[in-house]
Amino acid sequence: QIVLTQSPAIMSASLGERVTMTCTASSSVSSSYLHWYQQKPGSSPKLWIYSTSNLASGVPARFSGSGSGTSYSLTISSMEAEDAATYYCHQYHRSRTFGGGTKLEIK
Amino acid sequence: EVMLVESGGGLVKPGGSLKLSCAASGFTFSSYAMSWVRQTPEKRLEWVATISSGGSYTYYPDSVKGRFTISRDNAKNTLYLQMSSLRSEDTAMYYCARLESYWGQGTTLTVSS
Repeated sequence: QIVLTQSPAIMSASLGERVTMTCTASSSVSSSYLHWYQQKPGSSPKLWIYSTSNLASGVPARFSGSGSGTSYSLTISSMEAEDAATYYCHQYHRSRTFGGGTKLEIK
Repeated sequence: EVMLVESGGGLVKPGGSLKLSCAASGFTFSSYAMSWVRQTPEKRLEWVATISSGGSYTYYPDSVKGRFTISRDNAKNTLYLQMSSLRSEDTAMYYCARLESYWGQGTTLTVSS
């Protein structure tokens, strides 16, 4: 199976700061099949970015995604309080696996 | 509005069985593949099963293959997960999902003696 490794596991950012988190796959993943989810405590995961770089409905434009092959990233151009959450990457290029998550906190 | 409402979770002894249900509404259920995904107490997400729209094809990871069975009743707009030979490592919140877009709120399974 394809293992997705997210880094860092935990990070904190100041309001207005640029944030980048990464997702590294153990083997190449088609960019069409790499998604990101946002999850806040007590809620189920929400699709946030699909097919590497497409924002899901309602996701603010300060979010962006990029990557190819085995290396993917999610970037927030300017951190806002509502962005504090855990972000998971997910692939279904071969079977389905999730990364371990990056917990983003406010500094 | 798409809604997925899971039920059937609970406390089960190791080796026991349980069946989860997911009532779907707000979309044409019979047109979509459906899945179960679980989240462990450590917050790790694990795909558990997927069933094709008509129910003919099912897919599982090795961790649950032979122990879990996904099924659906398109007439009742309901998805099921029959779980047997349960282990402590199956303890998790179980989500019904129309991947990738829609997830239910989950139902909790605890496997403990």
